[in-house]
Amino acid sequence: NAGVMQNPRHLVRRRGQEARLRCSPMKGHSHVYWYRQLPEEGLKFMVYLQKENIIDESGMPKERFSAEFPKEGPSILRIQQVVRGDSAAYFCASSPSSPTGTLYGYTFGSGTRLTVV
Amino acid sequence: DAKTTQPPSMDCAEGRAANLPCNHSTISGNEYVYWYRQIHSQGPQYIIHGLKNNETNEMASLIITEDRKSSTLILPHATLRDTAVYYCIVRPLNNAGNMLTFGGGTRLMVKP
Repeated sequence: NAGVMQNPRHLVRRRGQEARLRCSPMKGHSHVYWYRQLPEEGLKFMVYLQKENIIDESGMPKERFSAEFPKEGPSILRIQQVVRGDSAAYFCASSPSSPTGTLYGYTFGSGTRLTVV
Repeated sequence: DAKTTQPPSMDCAEGRAANLPCNHSTISGNEYVYWYRQIHSQGPQYIIHGLKNNETNEMASLIITEDRKSSTLILPHATLRDTAVYYCIVRPLNNAGNMLTFGGGTRLMVKP
């Protein structure tokens, strides 16, 4: 049973370009969470999605950032017009929908390290 | 904001037990205590969780005080591969939408 898959592992973008980060949740998991970790800092919640729905985006910056989790395919975190301050590790986690299923917490992917040059 | 307090760093000798404390004095009755760790450059990894009873699994033991205001994660025989940042998190278990709120964690350094 494959874990949470994130790609790419490393992404380099020039200032002003777009960054697209992908996350495929574990099989049977219908909830996806995105976290950002700035260098030498802790993980900060960004957004929580279910299939075709954004449930909580309270941690998302107001501009340039968007997320989706379509009916088919992976969840996508999109950053438009990247700036150097966007350089960070972006982690995706998934969980099943039932309260019992979430008892053991979330499963995290290995992250995408975005570097803006 | 994180609802837990942990020491920023700890050292432990290889082969000895590592005892990582966590204060969660404002924990609610429906909140569990979770422990995760993050090894350098990797995603967080679930370790263990508990409500009020002590818990043990193949990775660690979790000791929760009777008043539930603090807990201790115990790695019984620490190895160099246990060097990581350890996060103590409280979270209610009523639905999947309760995201994890990470604090600063404890940076555990296991030394040979």
